[in-house]
Amino acid sequence: QKEVEQDPGPLSVPEGAIVSLNCTYSNSAFQYFMWYRQYSRKGPELLMYTYSSGNKEDGRFTAQVDKSSKYISLFIRDSQPSDSATYLCAMTLYGNNRLAFGKGNQVVVIP
Amino acid sequence: DADVTQTPRNRITKTGKRIMLECSQTKGHDRMYWYRQDPGLGLRLIYYSFDVKDINKGEISDGYSVSRQAQAKFSLSLESAIPNQTALYFCATSGRRTEPGYNEQFFGPGTRLTVL
Repeated sequence: QKEVEQDPGPLSVPEGAIVSLNCTYSNSAFQYFMWYRQYSRKGPELLMYTYSSGNKEDGRFTAQVDKSSKYISLFIRDSQPSDSATYLCAMTLYGNNRLAFGKGNQVVVIP
Repeated sequence: DADVTQTPRNRITKTGKRIMLECSQTKGHDRMYWYRQDPGLGLRLIYYSFDVKDINKGEISDGYSVSRQAQAKFSLSLESAIPNQTALYFCATSGRRTEPGYNEQFFGPGTRLTVL
């Protein structure tokens, strides 16, 4: 079983819709959870960063972590065409710089 | 100017050739990483270095080698390139454990490598 599972299937939504992305993981010791956004022909950049369980909101973006279920989510409200990108989840242990990445979800927001 | 730069941005080469990809950073970070990204496989760690004298293998190091020439420079070499090394390669950096947000990795723009 891979450490982090993320369904890579492309997701197309109309502008203004809510985008819901998620990842599951197997290592219960993971404590730091991140979402990276990668535009075409660019490197990934950090979008959201959460520690342990709970929710974190930043503008139209909400990250949720449920450690009991080993499940993390990213929600994008009022999606815009500029949100079209690949979103990768990543996580790591306390005191460790090595990140375990999901495969990434390609999101297309249609105007 | 970009904090993490990679050269070249694109490279086409032939099977058996030796290739070097270079990464430079101005973030002052000690820790540097090389990843490859393939469609459907995500990002996979090739090598990482926590300081100039420290080099560690990642999950897919076979066929690759690295050199940490200075704190700011980390090079990836393919000694004898083969077609299945065709991929997008990323360099990344991160701060020390004592620095706030040290888990965050900052990525370069990538090098698209094609091995014919």
